[in-house]
Amino acid sequence: QKEVEQDPGPLSVPEGAIVSLNCTYSNSAFQYFMWYRQYSRKGPELLMYTYSSGNKEDGRFTAQVDKSSKYISLFIRDSQPSDSATYLCAMSASNNNDMRFGAGTRLTVKP
Amino acid sequence: GAVVSQHPSWVICKSGTSVKIECRSLDFQATTMFWYRQFPKQSLMLMATSNEGSKATYEQGVEKDKFLINHASLTLSTLTVTSAHPEDSSFYICKTGQETQYFGPGTRLLVL
Repeated sequence: QKEVEQDPGPLSVPEGAIVSLNCTYSNSAFQYFMWYRQYSRKGPELLMYTYSSGNKEDGRFTAQVDKSSKYISLFIRDSQPSDSATYLCAMSASNNNDMRFGAGTRLTVKP
Repeated sequence: GAVVSQHPSWVICKSGTSVKIECRSLDFQATTMFWYRQFPKQSLMLMATSNEGSKATYEQGVEKDKFLINHASLTLSTLTVTSAHPEDSSFYICKTGQETQYFGPGTRLLVL
């Protein structure tokens, strides 16, 4: 079993739709949870950063962490074509520690 | 603006040659840098962790004699792919930071 599982998609939605991206993990030591967005041929950029369980909202993006279920989610409201990218979940046991990544979900938002 | 830079952004080389990739932190001192490799449509795989002034720690399955890492200063780490072969063709990305970690823009290596 992989430490981090993420459905690679691809996922295609119409513009304006709500997008739900998810990851599950097996290591209960993970406490820091991140979502990265990666455009084609570019390095990943940090979207959301969450410590422990709970929700965090930033504009159209909401990150949720459920440590009891070892399940994290990223929601994108009012999705835009510019949101088309690969979204990677990442997690680590301690800050500044190496992260474990999901496979990435390739998202396409169609105008 | 970017806080981590990489050079070169892409490189094409012949099989058997060595390629050096630089990763620089622009606004802060980076005591630790992480090097990742990403094959097409796959996720990032950690190759090694470099600490300034000491030897790098390599992940299982990564040949330390093939992927030489030097972290001689607090703002620069280099990854040298020695005697590169076509199977080394990949996207190499560094990551570093203090409280928040940032990725470099990546270096695309194509070995012919």
